[in-house]
Amino acid sequence: DAGVIQSPRHEVTEMGQEVTLRCKPISGHNSLFWYRQTMMRGLELLIYFNNNVPIDDSGMPEDRFSAKMPNASFSTLKIQPSEPRDSAVYFCASSGNNSPLHFGNGTRLTVT
Amino acid sequence: SQELEQSPQSLIVQEGKNLTINCTSSKTLYGLYWYKQKYGEGLIFLMMLQKGGEEKSHEKITAKLDEKKQQSSLHITASQPSHAGIYLCGADHNQGGKLIFGQGTELSVKP
Repeated sequence: DAGVIQSPRHEVTEMGQEVTLRCKPISGHNSLFWYRQTMMRGLELLIYFNNNVPIDDSGMPEDRFSAKMPNASFSTLKIQPSEPRDSAVYFCASSGNNSPLHFGNGTRLTVT
Repeated sequence: SQELEQSPQSLIVQEGKNLTINCTSSKTLYGLYWYKQKYGEGLIFLMMLQKGGEEKSHEKITAKLDEKKQQSSLHITASQPSHAGIYLCGADHNQGGKLIFGQGTELSVKP
C-alpha cells in the first residue's frame, strides 16, 4: 500500500500565479479530504469528497480556492490567483468505511 | 478549532517520565482520533476511540475516552526520545467522517 500520495512536496511561487496541488488517495478509499496547516490556525478542513462528490466545502477560504475530484484516484486543489497569506502546508487525506483518515506527507506552499 | 481544546500546548519531559495530554470537546463525540506528526511530515494515525469509557493501548501509549464522550486523554508511560513530536486529537462530531482537529501538543523528550 503506497499510502496517500501528494505532489509536489514543495512549491514556491509568486503572488498572482496559479497553483495546483495534486493528490492520489489510497485505492479503495471513498472519502477524500483537503486540509491546510499553519502555525496560527492549526489544521483546518477545507473541503471533503465522498464518492467523488463534494460534500462540505464550507472551509474553503475564498473563491480563489477550488477543488475537483474527477475520479476515485485523483483530486486537485487549485489556488488562483495565489497570495502570500496562502502560504501553508496543504494535506490530503483519505478514508474508507469505518477506517481512520490516512494523511499524505503534504505540500509545503510558499507564495512570495 | 474552539470546538476542540488540547492541553498542554507544549511539554518537555525527561526520558523515562510519564506524561498525559488532554483533549476536550464542546460537543458529544461520535469518534475521537489521536495522531502524531513529526516536523515536515504527515500525520500518523495512533488510535481511535468511539465508545464512552473506552480505553486502548499500543506499546507505551494509552488513550481513553470518558463516559460522557467529551474528553479524551493520551498517556505515555516511560517516555523515550522517539515519542517526541506533535500530538493531535481529531473529533468526529457528526458521524460523517470529517475530523476537526485540536491545535496540537508539542512533546519534547530530553535524553
